[in-house]
Amino acid sequence: KQEVTQIPAALSVPEGENLVLNCSFTDSAIYNLQWFRQDPGKGLTSLLLIQSSQREQTSGRLNASLDKSSGRSTLYIAASQPGDSATYLCAVRPQNQGGKLIFGQGTELSVKP
Amino acid sequence: GEEVAQTPKHLVRGEGQKAKLYCAPIKGHSYVFWYQQVLKNEFKFLISFQNENVFDETGMPKERFSAKCLPNSPCSLEIQATKLEDSAVYFCASSQSTGREQYFGPGTRLTVT
Repeated sequence: KQEVTQIPAALSVPEGENLVLNCSFTDSAIYNLQWFRQDPGKGLTSLLLIQSSQREQTSGRLNASLDKSSGRSTLYIAASQPGDSATYLCAVRPQNQGGKLIFGQGTELSVKP
Repeated sequence: GEEVAQTPKHLVRGEGQKAKLYCAPIKGHSYVFWYQQVLKNEFKFLISFQNENVFDETGMPKERFSAKCLPNSPCSLEIQATKLEDSAVYFCASSQSTGREQYFGPGTRLTVT
């Protein structure tokens, strides 16, 4: 059974810092991995999608990497801003299980001005 | 439309009453997914559709939950005889294919009293 874990559960940093959020999964048979952010009381905003054949994806100040064989992904946020404060979730799409996503518990990020 | 739309935003039901939630996927997206978010960050997959056909229903509590996606109508998730533990935020997501990004709606918060 696929399980997804995110560390740390919460993170507080001063504005301007570069930071790394971690995601690990127990079964390397995945089709892709998707990173989301969720603001309080809101839906999920898709940040990056990495296919299983890819090593990384970049969008603006965000960079996500994937090491499928070791079951790990990281989300790197450069020059953090208070507007980055949110919960970040990673989700994997297992192979041969339809298209459903299995989510981690999220990392709650707070960027202090 | 360009966004996944969900209605209503909030729904309050007494225990034992019926609840019906609606989702309009992004135009051109063939797949619709329903997820339940309980206790802040625990996402549980419920069911997915490919157009109007059930694609994967492995997460559905069969006894009281049902869902439909009919042509030219919003998709719906119905809970008969709600229980206190059904209190959660229900998210709908859509994608062009199972391998592409899933885009989430804003969610419907169901409170069962």
